[in-house]
Amino acid sequence: GEDVEQSLFLSVREGDSSVINCTYTDSSSTYLYWYKQEPGAGLQLLTYIFSNMDMKQDQRLTVLLNKKDKHLSLRIADTQTGDSAIYFCAESDTSGTYKYIFGTGTRLKVLA
Amino acid sequence: DARVTQTPRHKVTEMGQEVTMRCQPILGHNTVFWYRQTMMQGLELLAYFRNRAPLDDSGMPKDRFSAEMPDATLATLKIQPSEPRDSAVYFCASGLVGGLAPFFGPGTRLTVL
Repeated sequence: GEDVEQSLFLSVREGDSSVINCTYTDSSSTYLYWYKQEPGAGLQLLTYIFSNMDMKQDQRLTVLLNKKDKHLSLRIADTQTGDSAIYFCAESDTSGTYKYIFGTGTRLKVLA
Repeated sequence: DARVTQTPRHKVTEMGQEVTMRCQPILGHNTVFWYRQTMMQGLELLAYFRNRAPLDDSGMPKDRFSAEMPDATLATLKIQPSEPRDSAVYFCASGLVGGLAPFFGPGTRLTVL
């Protein structure tokens, strides 16, 4: 079945870049997503990438996709304390059911 | 400002009691998802509806959990009887088939004593 894996924790200093990594198994995924969850809140779509792209940049966020290795990463430039949250990687199952499979989430802690 | 709403936001109950969680998807969305989030298991898909019909509820313990969509504006997740291991945050999300990723509600934090 589909599986999405992420490391559980990441700690960075304010102003540094953060890189959150994710591996997935479903090679038929059309879109891959990054969600952000702040404490006590629901998940918020941060950015996404279409599977025929290698890279997508959106202000401080850069998404890199290595389709051969089924590896997705999210880079946050100039990380701020407000970026402290849990980041989820997700893939959509396009086999017909359009389920969304989420990773375990990476808890990013930004140190002042 | 379209958003998914969930009620209640918090629920504390005793073991054995029935719990009903409600979700109002975004108007026009035709898919609804129920997820459960715990520290140990992360985010688990419990049930998935398309056009109000259940497509996949394989992630849901069938003996005590049930999910329904009585109409297009309401989805419910019921636990009867509840157990302490059901304590978690339950999220509802809605979206469009073939559309981008679903929108999540704020969640219902359930504590079963």
